[in-house]
Amino acid sequence: EADIYQTPRYLVIGTGKKITLECSQTMGHDKMYWYQQDPGMELHLIHYSYGVNSTEKGDLSSESTVSRIRTEHFPLTLESARPSHTSQYLCASIMGTEAFFGQGTRLTVV
Amino acid sequence: GQQVMQIPQYQHVQEGEDFTTYCNSSTTLSNIQWYKQRPGGHPVFLIQLVKSGEVKKQKRLTFQFGEAKKNSSLHITATQTTDVGTYFCAGSNSGYALNFGKGTSLLVTP
Repeated sequence: EADIYQTPRYLVIGTGKKITLECSQTMGHDKMYWYQQDPGMELHLIHYSYGVNSTEKGDLSSESTVSRIRTEHFPLTLESARPSHTSQYLCASIMGTEAFFGQGTRLTVV
Repeated sequence: GQQVMQIPQYQHVQEGEDFTTYCNSSTTLSNIQWYKQRPGGHPVFLIQLVKSGEVKKQKRLTFQFGEAKKNSSLHITATQTTDVGTYFCAGSNSGYALNFGKGTSLLVTP
């Protein structure tokens, strides 16, 4: 089973701050995804990567950026946080076609 | 891009009643997966269907993949309170990221 870790679990931050949400997996999976999910709502794909130096935007327009310099690490950055960014951010790592999700980061921008 | 629609959005049943959620894709899928997300948690993989007309069972859960590989269903027999959560289907075509349906939130009252 994949081990996938997201930090922080919870974050409250002021408007205009730059933040990076961390996601790491220890299984060497090439495919990794970022989803945004409001409570009780659907998952929106915002970024995905098929391997090192590969990143693509998902279907939901997002003001965030991602990088994939190492296989195990797929951080998501918001250059200037806004209240509209308040949501849960879920990172997933893919083994075959099965997605393993991290615990998520619940972000609140005040 | 590929769209995956899921109905119903919500379902409230009495414990012991059956429950079904349906998933439809605008395009033919190479496979479809089902996930369960408990309240406050993250999606957890349940099963993957790959073959046209495939049926798989996990205890009280029955999963079906349509003959045209464009639709799928999840049926729970005799629901229990532990079945509470949101059930997501996720479809993919070769070389494309997983796209999740909006999910069906199941509430089971004793």
